Order: sequence, then C-alpha cells, then structure tokens
Amino acid sequence: ILNVEQSPQSLHVQEGDSTNFTCSFPSSNFYALHWYRWETAKSPEALFVMTLNGDEKKKGRISATLNTKEGYSYLYIKGSQPEDSATYLCAFITGGGNKLTFGTGTQLKVEL
Amino acid sequence: KAGVTQTPRYLIKTRGQQVTLSCSPISGHRSVSWYQQTPGQGLQFLFEYFSETQRNKGNFPGRFSGRQFSNSRSEMNVSTLELGDSALYLCASSGLDTQYFGPGTRLTVL
Repeated sequence: ILNVEQSPQSLHVQEGDSTNFTCSFPSSNFYALHWYRWETAKSPEALFVMTLNGDEKKKGRISATLNTKEGYSYLYIKGSQPEDSATYLCAFITGGGNKLTFGTGTQLKVEL
Repeated sequence: KAGVTQTPRYLIKTRGQQVTLSCSPISGHRSVSWYQQTPGQGLQFLFEYFSETQRNKGNFPGRFSGRQFSNSRSEMNVSTLELGDSALYLCASSGLDTQYFGPGTRLTVL
C-alpha cells in the first residue's frame, strides 16, 4: 500500500512570510509527483507535475523541488498573500495510467 | 476550452438507493478518473477509464462501478447506498500529464 505523507497538517502565517511544506512518498516505482492547490468551494487546481529527480519548478511565487531517490518533495511559497490560503495536496503516481495517491494535505491560512 | 463538468452538483439519497453521477471531460481528453473525498480519508482513487476501458481500479467494493462512453463522458454508479458513501465525488480528465478536476458532486446519504 502506497503512503503519501504531508507535513505540517496545517499552518498559519502572516502576510509576507515565506513558507514551505513537505511531501514524502515511496521512492520505489516512482513515475510522477503532482502538487495541487484546493481552495474551499472550488476544484483542485494543478500546480506542478514533477517527474525527474532534481526537478525544480516555479509558478509565480510558488516553487517546488523533487528528490526521487529519498522520496520527498518541497513546496515553497515566497511572500505569502491571503489569496494563497488553501489546502495544498501532493499526489504520487507509480505509472501505468493516472491513478493518483494523495496525501492528506497541508492547510495554509495566511493572515493580514 | 471548457473545463471538466459534473452533474448533478448536489444529491440527497436514502440508504439502499442507487445513484449515478456524470462527468464530461475536457474536449480531447480520453482519460477520466474518479475520486472520493471524505473528511476522514481524504481523496481516494476509485477508478480510471481510458478509451471506454477501465485502466485502473482503487480499493472500493463492487457497489461502486463506472463506465465511459465513446465521447469520453463517464458515469459512476453506486448501488445499495450506505451512510458512509456520503462524500464529495470528483472526476478528473487527463491530458498529457496533468489531471484537471471538475467541481464535484456532493452526495448525502440519509
């Protein structure tokens, strides 16, 4: 059984703070690691799809890194804004289709 | 490009009934996956359909089934509903490497 773990479970930061979350996944049979942002009452929004060890991806103030050998990925948010408040999910694929195994998410609250 | 659409958005059923949920993927996408989200279990994979064939299946009982039509639209069916089936059901359509999620169907079983 694949287990994807995310930490911390929740996080409260002040506007302007930088923050990061961790996603741990099994390093064997790795195919891809996905990051999603899920705001209340909306659909999960794809942030990154990462496939190669050492991958770094960036989208505005958000970036992510991937280490497939040790089985972890970090998501960074620089200069957090209230609109960044959401649950951030990572999900793991072993290959052979689109079966995503999700972590339980990190709930981020950015306060003014 | 239109996004993933799901119908209905909300549904209330009673124990023992059955329910059918529908998902229309993004035009051109041939893969549709279904997920269940509950507060205790998070997002869990139900099944994936690709070109009308089930390609992957999660660990759910046989009461959960699905199908995909030639236009890639997909339906999932839950028979003999139980209280624990109350959840948000999301479908996702896949392009090259990214899965795009619909708004979900909120099912409440009384």
